[in-house]
Amino acid sequence: GAVVSQHPSRVICKSGTSVKIECRSLDFQATTMFWYRQFPKKSLMLMATSNEGSKATYEQGVEKDKFLINHASLTLSTLTVTSAHPEDSSFYICSARDRAGAGADQETQYFGPGTRLLVL
Amino acid sequence: AQKVTQAQTEISVVEKEDVTLDCVYETRDTTYYLFWYKQPPSGELVFLIRRNSFDEQNEISGRYSWNFQKSTSSFNFTITASQVVDSAVYFCALPRMDSNYQLIWGAGTKLIIKP
Repeated sequence: GAVVSQHPSRVICKSGTSVKIECRSLDFQATTMFWYRQFPKKSLMLMATSNEGSKATYEQGVEKDKFLINHASLTLSTLTVTSAHPEDSSFYICSARDRAGAGADQETQYFGPGTRLLVL
Repeated sequence: AQKVTQAQTEISVVEKEDVTLDCVYETRDTTYYLFWYKQPPSGELVFLIRRNSFDEQNEISGRYSWNFQKSTSSFNFTITASQVVDSAVYFCALPRMDSNYQLIWGAGTKLIIKP
């Protein structure tokens, strides 16, 4: 149980194009999904918290117009990197919280496999 | 302030040795959870354990064990009889106070198990 998928796993794009990354909870409903960015050999950096049916909450320093997040259903959140530039190249990871989790289970984040973005 | 410190940046041991990964945290919450995740070279984070601050009993799962000491604000992770497949980066995390289930992450410890 608690499986999260991410698509694509890898993407290479030209500078100036937009890239959409999908995050899906496969066997549970996720009220809340999280988007992280991870640089090589670094810890996870939370970019935004995505709640189904409402606007995402962005962390300080993350440009909301650059990283568009849509959480249209209880099983899908998307991150769109708009007008990507080489400095946006990174490993993007999503996680999801099981809304039906009993008690402490709701505290646990389950992670997708990540998306490696390379902007040329 | 809240903080998670994993002081060991990298640990290298030979297979079958026991190894302990340290995690020290700071929080003003009186009740909280602590987490450990594993990130193998593939990149996907794997949930290992969630521990409630009320429960200070050590937990054992196969070769993995966790020692939670509230008095020293530590939540250490031990792997006994390590195997090459244990090679990964391990993260300790703590929920952010008054947040929407957001986590504060340690810097991670890279564990290398040599055959």
